[in-house]
Amino acid sequence: GAVVSQHPSWVICKSGTSVKIECRSLDFQATTMFWYRQFPKQSLMLMATSNEGSKATYEQGVEKDKFLINHASLTLSTLTVTSAHPEDSSFYICSAHGLAGVSEQYFGPGTRLTVT
Amino acid sequence: SQQGEEDPQALSIQEGENATMNCSYKTSINNLQWYRQNSGRGLVHLILIRSNEREKHSGRLRVTLDTSKKSSSLLITASRAADTASYFCATVGHGSGNTGKLIFGQGTTLQVKP
Repeated sequence: GAVVSQHPSWVICKSGTSVKIECRSLDFQATTMFWYRQFPKQSLMLMATSNEGSKATYEQGVEKDKFLINHASLTLSTLTVTSAHPEDSSFYICSAHGLAGVSEQYFGPGTRLTVT
Repeated sequence: SQQGEEDPQALSIQEGENATMNCSYKTSINNLQWYRQNSGRGLVHLILIRSNEREKHSGRLRVTLDTSKKSSSLLITASRAADTASYFCATVGHGSGNTGKLIFGQGTTLQVKP
């Protein structure tokens, strides 16, 4: 099956710094990638839809200037958490949806962000 | 925003028993999918059922869909300790401009005791 990787798998950063998370589709081209955030013992909340070569579409309540998304190639999308605060600590998961007519999404293993 | 509710929120059973999880949603859908998540990991796709289907099987999994009630159920038969995980339903909506984004339910945490 299709494989999606994320890097790093976990990161600890200081408050006020920025952190970049990468999401890669390893064996297929992903025209669309999605970024989710998951707090402990909660479900996944969609943050934004990332389309290759165009601006991301953010869900209501998600600050686009804080969560910068870049989808510069068909195999890579990046999420940058700018000026991170402790409340940004969460599990960030990406998924890729690349095959035309296929609804199934392929999820990355997630990135655990802890802001101190 | 969340699509709907999952019931129960937590389920604890003995190995060999069946586990049933229910999911309700609010809007019209193109399809409904079930995913599994082991603690601290990404999601694994289990099964997809389209809006014109009523039941689907995959191994020990059986999924039903009732679009009139806007609900779905996931049945895991002959459960194993390795089935211990969180299970989420997710829907893909209808309509133009639909990017195929998934809206997740709250999830059911299943514990299967050996």
